[in-house]
This record gives sequence, structure tokens and C-alpha cells, in this order.
Amino acid sequence: DGGITQSPKYLFRKEGQNVTLSCEQNLNHDAMYWYRQDPGQGLRLIYYSQIVNDFQKGDIAEGYSVSREKKESFPLTVTSAQKNPTAFYLCASSGGTGGSQPQHFGDGTRLSIL
Amino acid sequence: AQRVTQPEKLLSVFKGAPVELKCNYSYSGSPELFWYVQYSRQRLQLLLRHISRESIKGFTADLNKGETSFHLKKPFAQEEDSAMYYCALSSTGFQKLVFGTGTRLLVSP
Repeated sequence: DGGITQSPKYLFRKEGQNVTLSCEQNLNHDAMYWYRQDPGQGLRLIYYSQIVNDFQKGDIAEGYSVSREKKESFPLTVTSAQKNPTAFYLCASSGGTGGSQPQHFGDGTRLSIL
Repeated sequence: AQRVTQPEKLLSVFKGAPVELKCNYSYSGSPELFWYVQYSRQRLQLLLRHISRESIKGFTADLNKGETSFHLKKPFAQEEDSAMYYCALSSTGFQKLVFGTGTRLLVSP
């Protein structure tokens, strides 16, 4: 069954702690994305990767880091530098090139502060 | 700068009534516009995109470059249309999307 898998579904972070959100896809897509969703603000792009071993900052990258060592995986680390990490995080992927390729989304991870 | 505006947070209609979810954008180049939908307890998914000029689940959207709008329309709303709808924009040749803040559509019986 093809798709995007995000884990865990719920995550809690202590003060000063880094946490990593997992995103795996078996759609053979080149591009992957991380979004943050806050109430009333829609989706905001954190980081994106158009190809393995390459990634770019999105609109709100401060306090986050990513890696893209494998095509199917794009983990997001929320560092202690992110002062307001409580949010819903969505991972997405898209295939091919050009702007008209639809993005496929995971179920999301909800991060909360203890 | 690219920007997508969805002025309505909530749109409430009765079953069988026409629906129009508004979306306006600002972009200096040639944009590509999308509508994404999230039904209760489901993933965010693509509903339609302007280049396809298709009708999905009875919904249509026309890109109006003069008014910089991409409103989503359906002549007769159904209860199963109740969901969160997001308008999104990407620049030609790139896959990065800019999303609006979303409109929740509630269709009552």
C-alpha cells in the first residue's frame, strides 16, 4: 500500500530537548516537504528537499533541522532553539518535476511541550 | 511575494444550496493553483488543480488572472462535502506550495 508514513502520531518534548519526527514514503517521489500547521494559520513550509542529499529552508526553518540521506526518508528534528514547537506537523512528497505535481500528505504528528 | 488569501474561516450552508469558497492570490509570475481538502479523520488530499480544468465531486474552480482569484464552486452542496478546504499556489517550474489559511465548509441537512 503506497503512501507516506509519519511517526509517532503524538510526541512530547521536555524543555531543552531535541526531538525527531519520522517521515517515510514508498511512492518513489523525489521531493519531500515538512509543514507546520497552527490553528488559523494554515500550513507553513519548514524545509523541503527536491532530491536526495539536498534540502532548502522554507519560510519558518529557524529551530528546525532536516536530513535527506535516503530517497524515502526525510526526518525533521525540532531543536531546543525552537521556542514555540507545539503544533501539528505534516510531511508531504511529490513526484516528477514542474510545479503541477500534487503533493501527497501523511497523517501528521502532534508535538506538545511537557 | 507569493500570498494566498482565503477570507472566510467558516462557511455554513444547507444541503442543496450553492457553495463558493473564495481564494485570492498575489504573485507576479504565472501561478499554478490548487485546492486541497481535508475530510474529518482523513489526510489532506488534492481536490483539483487549475491546469486540469476538471470537475471533481461536482466542484469546479476557474483561474481568473484579472481578479487574481481561484474560487471553488459547487452548484448543490452535499453533507459529505463538509471539510476543511485549502487553496494553494506554486510558481511555475517549482513544487513548493504556499497555502491559504483554509475555510471550513459545513453543510447542514
